[in-house]
Amino acid sequence: SQTIHQWPATLVQPVGSPLSLECTVEGTSNPNLYWYRQAAGRGLQLLFYSVGIGQISSEVPQNLSASRPQDRQFILSSKKLLLSDSGFYLCAWSTAGGAGNTIYFGEGSWLTVV
Amino acid sequence: AQSVTQLGSHVSVSEGALVLLRCNYSSSVPPYLFWYVQYPNQGLQLLLKYTTGATLVKGINGFEAEFKKSETSFHLTKPSAHMSDAAEYFCAVLSPGTSYGKLTFGQGTILTVHP
Repeated sequence: SQTIHQWPATLVQPVGSPLSLECTVEGTSNPNLYWYRQAAGRGLQLLFYSVGIGQISSEVPQNLSASRPQDRQFILSSKKLLLSDSGFYLCAWSTAGGAGNTIYFGEGSWLTVV
Repeated sequence: AQSVTQLGSHVSVSEGALVLLRCNYSSSVPPYLFWYVQYPNQGLQLLLKYTTGATLVKGINGFEAEFKKSETSFHLTKPSAHMSDAAEYFCAVLSPGTSYGKLTFGQGTILTVHP
């Protein structure tokens, strides 16, 4: 069966510090990968998606970037965090191809920028 | 462009009562529709989804939802609430024909179940 892991689960970072959140998927190959953000009191917003190694699409302009160095690895990064980057970040995956495929979410990472 | 409206950011029911969480969508074509549940400090878990076929969809934990095209709705129901159903619920839509799953989420509905 397929599993998705993301870490760290919780982190507190000072403004201006770098960020790296990692996500890996097991049990499938060539998945579509996603990073969503859930800010306090808001719904979920798609930040990035990837349909293959090195292929990253950004949905919203922001202080963050994403990379996919391996087929089942997705990394969310920032060089200098802002207070507004605080939130709950969710990695997700789906099988490639049909848009009706279910998107499966990881357990999330709480980021607090202080 | 798609949009999703969940009526009621908070819903409170008694244990054993009917659960009804409302979701209306706006889309130029009939979309794929999803309900997810999020327990505190956890990721999202799929409850059920509608893509094609039967408009009444049954999901996990006794939940079901009915796609009504004429009403552009996909309301989530459960006949009898359990304390364990307390969570936040998200309705989401997806346009057919895209090569990736860009979900558009509603703002969520927090369900409280009291004894």
